[in-house]
Amino acid sequence: QSALTQPRSVSGSPGQSVTISCTGTSSDVGHYNYVSWYQQHPGKAPKLMIYDVSKRPSGVPDRFSGSKSGNTASLTISGLQVEDEGVYFCCSYAGTYVVFGGGTNLTVL
Amino acid sequence: QVQLEESGGGLVKPGGSLRLSCAASGFTFSDFHMTWIRQAPGKGLEWVAYISITSKVYYADSVKGRFTISRDNAKNSLFLQMDNLRVDDTAVYYCVRGVLKFDPWGQGTLVTVSS
Repeated sequence: QSALTQPRSVSGSPGQSVTISCTGTSSDVGHYNYVSWYQQHPGKAPKLMIYDVSKRPSGVPDRFSGSKSGNTASLTISGLQVEDEGVYFCCSYAGTYVVFGGGTNLTVL
Repeated sequence: QVQLEESGGGLVKPGGSLRLSCAASGFTFSDFHMTWIRQAPGKGLEWVAYISITSKVYYADSVKGRFTISRDNAKNSLFLQMDNLRVDDTAVYYCVRGVLKFDPWGQGTLVTVSS
C-alpha cells in the first residue's frame, strides 16, 4: 500500500499546458484502469476531475485530460486558467486497497 | 441532489474511541460501494477503508484491527468505528461514494487525538 509518486509542484502561465505525472506499480496503476484525479482548493473537499484514467465527469472542462502508460498516469491541463490553481491528487484502485499520490501543488503564474 | 453529511468528529485522548456517521441522500445508497478517506492537517489524502454493496470490507494497513467500517442501508448511513485512537489518526475524515472513483465528497468531520 505504498503511496503513488507525484511531483510536489508544477507551474504554468495562463493559456499554457501542464502535465502532472503519477507513478505507481504493476499492482495498482499498471494493473487497473481505475486511475482518478482530484482537485482540491484550500479549505474545501476534493473534487473529481478524471476517472477511469481518461473519462471526465459532466461539468469538468475538456481542458482536463488523463492518460496512462505502464505504471505511470498523467493529468494534462491545457489552456491554464487562474481558477485551476490548487492541489491535484491522483488515485488508483488496487483490488483490496486504494492508494493516493502525495499531491501536486499547481501554481498558475 | 446527491449529498453526504458526516458527523461524530471531535477531540479524544490517545487510546480512546469515536464513531463517525455519514448520512447519505439523493441516491440509492444500497447500490453503491462507500469509502472513508482522511486528510491530516496540511497533508495529502489517505484511503482508510471501503465497504462493498455486499458489505465486504477492506482496510488500510494503518487502521486494520482498530477501525471498523459498516453500513445500514435501511437508514442510508455509513459508519466508522474508531478504537485505540493514536495521535497520528488526527485528520479530517471524509465520507465518499464509490471505490473506483470518489464522487461526491462530504464536507468532512475533524477528529483530533490529543492528550
